[in-house]
Amino acid sequence: QSALTQPASVSGSPGQSITIFCSGASSDIGSYDLVSWYQQHPGKAPKLMIYEVTKRPSGVSNRFSGSKSGNTASLTISGLQAEDEADYYCCSYVDTRTYVVFGGGTKLTVL
Amino acid sequence: QLQLQESGPGLVKPSETLSLTCTVSGGSIRSSSYYWGWIRQPPGKGLEWIGNIYSNGNTYYNPSLKSRVTISVDTSKNQFSLRLSSVTAADTAVYYCARQVGYYGSGSLDYWGQGTLVTVSS
Repeated sequence: QSALTQPASVSGSPGQSITIFCSGASSDIGSYDLVSWYQQHPGKAPKLMIYEVTKRPSGVSNRFSGSKSGNTASLTISGLQAEDEADYYCCSYVDTRTYVVFGGGTKLTVL
Repeated sequence: QLQLQESGPGLVKPSETLSLTCTVSGGSIRSSSYYWGWIRQPPGKGLEWIGNIYSNGNTYYNPSLKSRVTISVDTSKNQFSLRLSSVTAADTAVYYCARQVGYYGSGSLDYWGQGTLVTVSS
């Protein structure tokens, strides 16, 4: 039902890089630079990792980076560490009716 | 450091109204440019944006919940609240409050409460 589509799971080995894609439409991701990404560890509140497509909040590791191409946003994590194992959600403004939606979430496993 | 804390009953009966309050500390809910939002997460599932409110009472709601949701603000107490009517088991979830930035609250959620589990059951 989400307007944003993410893969259910991705995995990578320590030290590797992975990318999580968030697919939307020309009317949401394609039209606005309002994509944000959240990391959620089990039993914890989500944590903002990327906002406005590419910006990192203070305190977030520079191993996390965001980008957008057309209707798809992406989150790249470089130099994977065990602590990066978590669920990741994209989020975007959609339109004046739907307003804001989250992607379905992606479970990252560090092998 | 801004902190948000949800409070309210952890158990609600079907068909009744769920009521939660978020208390903001370390900053004013009247701060310009910020909306204050609610997000929920059913057990084992993803995040769902419920809606948000500005300090002047302006609100935006998820259209799928709009008919049952009311978000209100009490600036004198630095709190905002969620009411969800006619609840069913499908409304069982961890409910989070958060600060939402950007133009008319359309941007990212940068500060979150710890979340509170609300179970709908008789």
